[in-house]
Amino acid sequence: SQQGEEDPQALSIQEGENATMNCSYKTSINNLQWYRQNSGRGLVHLILIRSNEREKHSGRLRVTLDTSKKSSSLLITASRAADTASYFCATDGGSQGNLIFGKGTKLSVKP
Amino acid sequence: DAGITQSPRHKVTETGTPVTLRCHQTENHRYMYWYRQDPGHGLRLIHYSYGVKDTDKGEVSDGYSVSRSKTEDFLLTLESATSSQTSVYFCAIGSSGAGANVLTFGAGSRLTVL
Repeated sequence: SQQGEEDPQALSIQEGENATMNCSYKTSINNLQWYRQNSGRGLVHLILIRSNEREKHSGRLRVTLDTSKKSSSLLITASRAADTASYFCATDGGSQGNLIFGKGTKLSVKP
Repeated sequence: DAGITQSPRHKVTETGTPVTLRCHQTENHRYMYWYRQDPGHGLRLIHYSYGVKDTDKGEVSDGYSVSRSKTEDFLLTLESATSSQTSVYFCAIGSSGAGANVLTFGAGSRLTVL
């Protein structure tokens, strides 16, 4: 069963705008990760946030985590056409701590 | 996708035939994983390995077997392929620095079962 569920399923914005994606999960976690997948490629790790952290930044990425609501958000600021991709959250809620991925948000950034 | 390669990248086969997908890593990581990706389902874990000859089932293991005879190679076998196994298969290696398992993915193997 899926642990993380991203929202929205698809998002279309103009270059320069900010993009926000949300992830909800069901069980307690030690950490939550975000991955990006360009069309026809494998997933690439973006950022990890631990359960005792509330916010984390990496370049134009900002991730928040609310363990009381079992939710996380990924904000991409000043988006670029190259940010067009699908974004997945993953939690370590699987057996043996295996990662469970959500279904992803498909982001389209128009130039 | 440096350090991890999948082969073949594309394969078309017929129902009932055996298929083996290969994942090769040069990173000497202990953990290796096979996921499948389908529209509407995201990525689902098929099998994983935590060492040579040490493997375990994931969420959707029925119809699949795996083997790991060397650290660098993790094979996924469909003994008798079915149309429901048409999918994109991703191999991943796990690095667990600082207590968190971060995955590096291969480029994927697209399998079509006719």
